[in-house]
Amino acid sequence: EAGVAQSPRYKIIEKRQSVAFWCNPISGHATLYWYQQILGQGPKLLIQFQNNGVVDDSQLPKDRFSAERLKGVDSTLKIQPAKLEDSAVYLCASIQGVNNEQFFGPGTRLTVL
Amino acid sequence: KNQVEQSPQSLIILEGKNCTLQCNYTVSPFSNLRWYKQDTGRGPVSLTIMTFSENTKSNGRYTATLDADTKQSSLHITASQLSDSASYICVVSAGYKLSFGAGTTVTVRA
Repeated sequence: EAGVAQSPRYKIIEKRQSVAFWCNPISGHATLYWYQQILGQGPKLLIQFQNNGVVDDSQLPKDRFSAERLKGVDSTLKIQPAKLEDSAVYLCASIQGVNNEQFFGPGTRLTVL
Repeated sequence: KNQVEQSPQSLIILEGKNCTLQCNYTVSPFSNLRWYKQDTGRGPVSLTIMTFSENTKSNGRYTATLDADTKQSSLHITASQLSDSASYICVVSAGYKLSFGAGTTVTVRA
């Protein structure tokens, strides 16, 4: 089965610019997660979708971050405007059932200059 | 507050040796505990998943244990190989909500 796809793999922008990341989860996986992983730390949940509805976005900086999952499949995460501290790897993951394996994409490494 | 704490933060071992990583958690309610391996520049990959009724699970040279009473887990790596050099992350689930530890960085040297 195909894995979780993410693009782009790398992105370099200047502060105050905007950026968008794309994720295509494994087919049939209703639950999709976006995580932010800063170097040396574990992933931090930004937002969790169940189909096209938001389950948890309590740690999403809503003044600058937004995410959507139209039609309950692909998802996009946007940052506008970016800050230096947004430099991190953004991981997308999906899962089929609560005790099933969670599959991660390769991540997008964002550098904000 | 749901927390997952891992120790040590990092370790270095010689190729062929064994090592054990620790994970303590306060997540509630408990659904399952996962161990992931994350190679540099890649997304985490699942090694084991254990539910409340399981106290040990193996995946090749990786063996995870779970003590749900004391809320502790360990990951044992047997006969380490250079390819085991990675970050190992403990994750505890409360339903679909996953709490991540900071990870243990393992470096295997020849």
